[in-house]
Amino acid sequence: SQQGEEDPQALSIQEGENATMNCSYKTSINNLQWYRQNSGRGLVHLILIRSNEREKHSGRLRVTLDTSKKSSSLLITASRAADTASYFCATDEVPEYALNFGKGTSLLVTP
Amino acid sequence: GAGVSQTPSNKVTEKGKYVELRCDPISGHTALYWYRQSLGQGPEFLIYFQGTGAADDSGLPNDRFFAVRPEGSVSTLKIQRTERGDSAVYLCASSPTGGTAIQETQYFGPGTRLLVL
Repeated sequence: SQQGEEDPQALSIQEGENATMNCSYKTSINNLQWYRQNSGRGLVHLILIRSNEREKHSGRLRVTLDTSKKSSSLLITASRAADTASYFCATDEVPEYALNFGKGTSLLVTP
Repeated sequence: GAGVSQTPSNKVTEKGKYVELRCDPISGHTALYWYRQSLGQGPEFLIYFQGTGAADDSGLPNDRFFAVRPEGSVSTLKIQRTERGDSAVYLCASSPTGGTAIQETQYFGPGTRLLVL
């Protein structure tokens, strides 16, 4: 079963705008990761945030984690057409070595 | 150099046939994982190998699915008597040591797109 649920399911913005995606999960986690999947390609790891962290940055990416609300957000600043992809959050759950993905947010960035 | 590779990239088969999907992990990675991704869904865990042994196959949907990793490197996912519902993208991933997945980045291959007619 899938643990995380991303919101919105689809997002369309113009280049230069910021994109925010949210992820909610059900049970307690140790860590949460965000992945990107381009059309026809595999998943690429973006960022990992641990349960004792509240915010993490990587380049144009900013991830927050609120364990009290069981939610995380991914912010992509100054988006580019190349950011067009599906974005998934993944949590740990039994079995703990398996990534548990949500359904993803489909992001379209138009020039 | 390589990343995780998977062959074939696409496979079309008929209902009832047997298929094998191959995964070449990153050299030296001990842990290997298979996931299945249906259209519009996120990947779902199938099986986890630590070295040559299947440490956890709890995600395999039924006994028509089987996977091996005889030498601790390449893995093959085998599906017997395929059904239309097996149509999906099968993703393979590897990580350096395995264990608690979320502590360690998993590196994914491009997947095999399986279509059962």
